Amino acid sequence: GENVEQHPSTLSVQEGDSAVIKCTYSDSASNYFPWYKQELGKRPQLIIDIRSNVGEKKDQRIAVTLNKTAKHFSLHITETQPEDSAVYFCAALNYGGSQGNLIFGKGTKLSVKP
Amino acid sequence: DAGVTQSPTHLIKTRGQQVTLRCSPKSGHDTVSWYQQALGQGPQFIFQYYEEEERQRGNFPDRFSGHQFPNYSSELNVNALLLGDSALYLCASSLKPGLAGRRFGPGTRLTVT
Repeated sequence: GENVEQHPSTLSVQEGDSAVIKCTYSDSASNYFPWYKQELGKRPQLIIDIRSNVGEKKDQRIAVTLNKTAKHFSLHITETQPEDSAVYFCAALNYGGSQGNLIFGKGTKLSVKP
Repeated sequence: DAGVTQSPTHLIKTRGQQVTLRCSPKSGHDTVSWYQQALGQGPQFIFQYYEEEERQRGNFPDRFSGHQFPNYSSELNVNALLLGDSALYLCASSLKPGLAGRRFGPGTRLTVT
């Protein structure tokens, strides 16, 4: 089955700097890769996603890149702000298959220092 | 257009007891997936319901069971509760199994003492 590895487990940056979180997946059939942000005590919130027919996707300060050959994808946050501090999870899914459960990484705790 | 809703928000149970958690999917969605998120961990897939049947199951014991109703809402039942069952239980809905757009409900925080 699918396995998702996420690094780093913790990341501390200064406000205004960029943050990069990386994930690798094992199942070449996975073709949908969402990223979630989870604040303390709250549900994971979908912040951006990418499908395997796209190499990069941007939404304001957030971007995701995908390298299908290497089976890895990354989340990039530019101009970080204190409100970006949270735990971020990557996940993988075989979109459109007969079964579809998200496999999550273990999370990255991002701290943005003012 | 209501999103995914879950009840109750918090629950405290004693070891050995049984618990039932409820989920109503987003309007228009017919598939419900349940996840368990232990403290400091990523969500773990429990099972998925579609057309009132369990379609896929993660690595969880038979103490975890579920049900889906004709209106697509779903219940998660856990029997013989263990301390390790303490977690945030998340429900996500989608249109058909295998489709993306998994947005989670607010979750139910279960504490087993």
